[in-house]
Amino acid sequence: EAGVTQSPTHLIKTRGQQATLRCSPISGHTSVYWYQQALGLGLQFLLWYDEGEERNRGNFPPRFSGRQFPNYSSELNVNALELEDSALYLCASSYVRDGLWRNTEAFFGQGTRLTVV
Amino acid sequence: AQTVTQSQPEMSVQEAETVTLSCTYDTSESDYYLFWYKQPPSRQMILVIRQEAYKQQNATENRFSVNFQKAAKSFSLKISDSQLGDAAMYFCAYRSVNTGKLIFGQGTTLQVKP
Repeated sequence: EAGVTQSPTHLIKTRGQQATLRCSPISGHTSVYWYQQALGLGLQFLLWYDEGEERNRGNFPPRFSGRQFPNYSSELNVNALELEDSALYLCASSYVRDGLWRNTEAFFGQGTRLTVV
Repeated sequence: AQTVTQSQPEMSVQEAETVTLSCTYDTSESDYYLFWYKQPPSRQMILVIRQEAYKQQNATENRFSVNFQKAAKSFSLKISDSQLGDAAMYFCAYRSVNTGKLIFGQGTTLQVKP
């Protein structure tokens, strides 16, 4: 079974441009989490989608946005890129069982390394 | 709101020795999961161990075990017989059973010395 896949692996953009990052969850998983990890630092929660809806949003400006498609894959868009947006962006997928998040760990992709120059 | 705190940015241990990584959390919920994830230099996040809040027994996975103190809201990870491959960044995480919200601590970088 394929794991969580993220594309591209690396992305280099110029300040002011837009970046689009993609995530395909494990088959059967309906929930996708996005995290930003600046170099050597912890995971900052960005966005969480479940069943096509945005469930929660971290403390990030509106230029960070995303969506989840009917097949549960997800896209993270970052507009008007700034130098400090350079980071590793991690996607994780999970699912709910019988209405509860029990015995349902989150599985991570390899991440997209975004560099803004 | 739930929070997760890891107060040790860096730790080091001698190969074959034992090390304990600390984690505290804050929540008003009674039903939740706690996890320890490992992120090696390859950057792939790997689940190390998980603990269900309603279980009093501490979880164990081979050389990895936890000390779960629910009343104190403490969840430490003990690594026994440390190996060079254990060198990584370790993250403590909290998962709400009812809402699915998943939050992480700041991480602890573990160095294993040969």
